[in-house]
Amino acid sequence: GAVVSQHPSWVICKSGTSVKIECRSLDFQATTMFWYRQFPKQSLMLMATSNEGSKATYEQGVEKDKFLINHASLTLSTLTVTSAHPEDSSFYICSASSRGTFYGYTFGSGTRLTVV
Amino acid sequence: KNEVEQSPQNLTAQEGEFITINCSYSVGISALHWLQQHPGGGIVSLFMLSSGKKKHGRLIATINIQEKHSSLHITASHPRDSAVYICAARRGGADGLTFGKGTHLIIQP
Repeated sequence: GAVVSQHPSWVICKSGTSVKIECRSLDFQATTMFWYRQFPKQSLMLMATSNEGSKATYEQGVEKDKFLINHASLTLSTLTVTSAHPEDSSFYICSASSRGTFYGYTFGSGTRLTVV
Repeated sequence: KNEVEQSPQNLTAQEGEFITINCSYSVGISALHWLQQHPGGGIVSLFMLSSGKKKHGRLIATINIQEKHSSLHITASHPRDSAVYICAARRGGADGLTFGKGTHLIIQP
């Protein structure tokens, strides 16, 4: 079945540094990639949607200059958290969709980010 | 009020019991997803529904579009079914998901 590889699984970084999270679709072409985050004991929340070769569309309240999304190929999307702060500590997870799967969604394994 | 509401929030049952988790949504949708999230955070997609009923092994998902309600059932529950079950609504064909808060299920041996 469809697999999305996400890494790193966890990362600890210092406040003010940037962190890049990668999601790769291993056996299908991810025409659309969704990025979500989940704070402790809260629901997953959609951050942004990116289509291959296009600029990402960000949800209200998500700073596009802080959360940089690149979806330059059909198998790779990256989320870079720039100038990370402790309040950015969260669980980030991607989900890939392909037109060929009639919009079934395959999730990555998630990245737990801790900013100290 | 959240667009997607789940109940119960927490559920503890004995092995073998029949489990039902409910989901109500307040927006028009193109599909309703049921997901399973394990303690490490990883998410597995269980079902994608736009109408009727789907079955996979011991899991059954139903949806009533008119009532904007869906249920996930687990028959002959087992401790390995312990996880957080999340329903999520998708408005348009290529839209991201709006998630419920999840149901934390514990199946005791």
